This record gives sequence, structure tokens and C-alpha cells, in this order.
Amino acid sequence: AQRVTQPEKLLSVFKGAPVELKCNYSYSGSPELFWYVQYSRQRLQLLLRHISRESIKGFTADLNKGETSFHLKKPFAQEEDSAMYYCALISGGYNKLIFGAGTRLAVHP
Amino acid sequence: DGGITQSPKYLFRKEGQNVTLSCEQNLNHDAMYWYRQDPGQGLRLIYYSQIVNDFQKGDIAEGYSVSREKKESFPLTVTSAQKNPTAFYLCASSGTRGPNSYNEQFFGPGTRLTVL
Repeated sequence: AQRVTQPEKLLSVFKGAPVELKCNYSYSGSPELFWYVQYSRQRLQLLLRHISRESIKGFTADLNKGETSFHLKKPFAQEEDSAMYYCALISGGYNKLIFGAGTRLAVHP
Repeated sequence: DGGITQSPKYLFRKEGQNVTLSCEQNLNHDAMYWYRQDPGQGLRLIYYSQIVNDFQKGDIAEGYSVSREKKESFPLTVTSAQKNPTAFYLCASSGTRGPNSYNEQFFGPGTRLTVL
């Protein structure tokens, strides 16, 4: 079954500390993976996609097919990074997204 | 902040009543989606529509119904058959996915439904 697992409900760090939000997936075939973010009082929005291999707001994520992981990393967390983060993968041929349960990142001053 | 809108923001309903949530988009997107968001469970797909007059069930369609009579609109009806309807409902839209591309889904602000 296709599944996305985010093992941490809450990740709490201090400003300037490194951040790693974990995401593991199960998918038969070549997955397309994404990170979505929801800041307080804002809409859910796309943060980055693995196929672009880009860095957005200092965040990067590398697809590791051997470990079936797509962890989101940032070397130095900022208070404005505090948000809910969802890992997701595309299922099938119709742009259907399967989401993980989400991890709340809290960055303290 | 247009693009995709949902109304109302908050909705209260008595048990046994049907209720319809509105979703409108002016992005000229072919595809639209309804998700349910519950604490600790992420987003789960209820229904999706790739084109006008066509829609498919998602993972948790029981107790819900949709229509897609216009490209801009994809209303969701929560029926009395839905056993646990209290949740946050998100609508999204995207362009139609090509064979080798992903079309970003754009989300609305959501509707919080509470059953009294």
C-alpha cells in the first residue's frame, strides 16, 4: 500500500539549531515526493518537490530510495519556520496526493 | 487573496442534516479536490474531479457527495450518512497533470464544520 509516514508529531528546537523533519514512504515504482507547509493562519502551500532539487527558504530534501526517505533539512532554524509540515507523494496518474500526518515545527527564540 | 475560495469559514450543523460546502476557483484549473484534515491524521482525499461533469471517489468518500457542473465550482455535500463529520475541510485545484509532470495543487483557506 502507498503510504507516507511522518514519525514526529512535534519537533521543538531553538533558533539557530539544525532541523530535520523525517518522512518515510512506501510506494511501488518511482515516487514523486513533496513537502507542503502551513504557516499559522495561512493556506497550505507547496514548499518543495524532490524532482526540482531546489532549496526553498533554506530547506532542502533529498530522496533516498534505498531508505525510502525524503527528510526535510535546514541547517539553522528561524522563528518564522514555525509551522505545520506535511510530506506527500503522488499516487497514480491523476495528480492525487497522499499526505503524511504532519509534523509541527516549533522554533523557540 | 483570491484564486481559490471556500465558504463559509465556519459551519455548524445539527445531527441528521445535510450541509454543502462551497469551493470556487478562478485559476482556470481543470482539476479540483476535496480533502478532510483531522488532527494527527494529515489530509485525506474525499473526492476529486479531473474535468467538468466527471469526478471520482477518493479514499474516504462514504457519506459525502460532490458535483462538477462548472469548471470553477466543486461543492461538497456532507450527508447525514457521514458518521463523524466534524473536521476541517480543504479544497484544492490544479492544472491537469501531463504524463511526465506534476501540477501543483493550490489550496483554499478551508471550512471548519462542527456537528452539534
